[in-house]
Amino acid sequence: EVQLLESGGALVQPGGSLRLSCAASGFTLSTYPMSWVRQASGKGLEWVSAIRGSGETRYRDSVKGRFTISRDTSKNTLYLQLNSLRVEDTAVYFCVRGPDEPLDYWGQGTLVTVSS
Amino acid sequence: ETVLTQSPATLSLSPGERATLSCRASQSVDIYLAWYQQKPGQAPRLLIYDASNRATGIPARFSGSGSGTDFTLTISSLEPEDFAIYYCQQRKNWPPVTFGQGTRLEIK
Repeated sequence: EVQLLESGGALVQPGGSLRLSCAASGFTLSTYPMSWVRQASGKGLEWVSAIRGSGETRYRDSVKGRFTISRDTSKNTLYLQLNSLRVEDTAVYFCVRGPDEPLDYWGQGTLVTVSS
Repeated sequence: ETVLTQSPATLSLSPGERATLSCRASQSVDIYLAWYQQKPGQAPRLLIYDASNRATGIPARFSGSGSGTDFTLTISSLEPEDFAIYYCQQRKNWPPVTFGQGTRLEIK
């Protein structure tokens, strides 16, 4: 059974940093493209970043240079390093399998709150 | 960036009725359009992928159609558990992956 379990969300001050983790089970993470998708409270879904099986990474413009997606194949875990955080980065962050294929498996999400 | 526009924003229907949700893309996405259902406090769930294919375990009352720029999600006969928010999403032209703003399906 495929499962994605995020962790690492917290309350952080503007300008601060955080690392989110997503532990995958039931499949080999490095053989699939993986994404982070976020959702601010009461708002829609917003794709943030993706890493392909090849290791190629992609980001939305608003997080380029601030966020870094990576993975540890030995731990079957996906990461998102969030630096220079802004109030507008406040959201639930979902770890998702995709998007070269459909976004077929989603974690339960981890809440990042950026506030002073 | 491919903008997806969903309509209507809110749809008020009764159980047993037919629901028709629309998604229009600002440029062609071929068939690479998916639909997701999200209930409060939950992650989205994949319903339909590549415009018309039901995901594993999705009931037959859910169907999708369309190609290019115009797509439709149809729920043939609404069950109480179908009242939720529905999003469309494209993976043809990325980055960025884009989602529609959502259609809220509420009980009339």
